[in-house]
Amino acid sequence: SQQGEEDPQALSIQEGENATMNCSYKTSINNLQWYRQNSGRGLVHLILIRSNEREKHSGRLRVTLDTSKKSSSLLITASRAADTASYFCATDEGDNNDMRFGAGTRLTVKP
Amino acid sequence: NAGVMQNPRHLVRRRGQEARLRCSPMKGHSHVYWYRQLPEEGLKFMVYLQKENIIDESGMPKERFSAEFPKEGPSILRIQQVVRGDSAAYFCASSRKSQFNEQFFGPGTRLTVL
Repeated sequence: SQQGEEDPQALSIQEGENATMNCSYKTSINNLQWYRQNSGRGLVHLILIRSNEREKHSGRLRVTLDTSKKSSSLLITASRAADTASYFCATDEGDNNDMRFGAGTRLTVKP
Repeated sequence: NAGVMQNPRHLVRRRGQEARLRCSPMKGHSHVYWYRQLPEEGLKFMVYLQKENIIDESGMPKERFSAEFPKEGPSILRIQQVVRGDSAAYFCASSRKSQFNEQFFGPGTRLTVL
């Protein structure tokens, strides 16, 4: 089942600009993960941030986590046309590590 | 409109046994994806199927693992001769043919190999 919300639902930017996507959730989490999905392909894991971490970097990606607001953001700097994809956040919750996925943000980067 | 169904939710097997995991996609969806998640790790893509066809199995281990999505019935992920390292959560997602192929996830099957 889908839970958590990404916002915006769709984002269109020019190459070279930064893209910021947000994710909100409702319950306590063990960790939060961001994924990318290119059209017609499976999800690709980008970053996992644990509940006791506030920020994490990987290349051009920067993820923040605010557990008091139950929200996370994914920043892609200096975007490229190849970054065009859907981006999903997923929360790992509870003792059984149940996963909850948001509906995703569709990012279009125009060359 | 029921979501993606997976069963069983929990499966316990002894080493050497076979595990069969089932995934019923959402109504109208003809694409199924399988993922594996180890504890404290992200999902790892295993296989992408359409009805009666394997489209991408680049994430499937070469041995013991197989997947099918028949014309009728659920998609099956089959693990033969399970080992302890197969213990994980296995998630299935479905989508319909669209520009972005949004995936909707099932609740997962937690496999424990004793």
